[in-house]
Amino acid sequence: KNEVEQSPQNLTAQEGEFITINCSYSVGISALHWLQQHPGGGIVSLFMLSSGKKKHGRLIATINIQEKHSSLHITASHPRDSAVYICAVLTDKLIFGTGTRLQVFP
Amino acid sequence: GAVVSQHPSRVICKSGTSVKIECRSLDFQATTMFWYRQFPKQSLMLMATSNEGSKATYEQGVEKDKFLINHASLTLSTLTVTSAHPEDSSFYICSAWRQPNSPLHFGNGTRLTVT
Repeated sequence: KNEVEQSPQNLTAQEGEFITINCSYSVGISALHWLQQHPGGGIVSLFMLSSGKKKHGRLIATINIQEKHSSLHITASHPRDSAVYICAVLTDKLIFGTGTRLQVFP
Repeated sequence: GAVVSQHPSRVICKSGTSVKIECRSLDFQATTMFWYRQFPKQSLMLMATSNEGSKATYEQGVEKDKFLINHASLTLSTLTVTSAHPEDSSFYICSAWRQPNSPLHFGNGTRLTVT
């Protein structure tokens, strides 16, 4: 079993839909990162969390340390949100989830 | 925002040659840089952690003599793929942070093709 599990693996949505991507982990962490990787390969760091909730534009990330779970929400999704979203936890090193491939159709 | 520059973005080399990939933090000093490999449709795989002025820490299964990492300054780390083989063809990405528990900044990756 992977130390970091993401769900779903693939997600399709219509433009405007509310999207949730989940990340569960089984190890003690000092921080959790949400990353976005576009088809060209470039990776952007969206959030770094150690507790609570963060919001940036249409993106919201939450983390529950006791439950070892984090969610990434996208409100009013848009085709430009289509990407792979990766959760990574920081222990003594970075451990990556397998990613969630999101496609948003107009 | 902080920028990490990775070069080259694409490289094709012949089997048996060596290829060097550079990762630079342009507007901050990176105490630690990370090197990853990514296979098609898979997530990132951490290869090694590079701290300035010390030897890199390699993940299990990554050959130190094949993937040489040098972190000579706080703004530059290099990954050299030595005696490249076709199975080394992959997407290599670096990232850097100012300090632990600070945001991660990624390079745009290098697509290596070994013929």
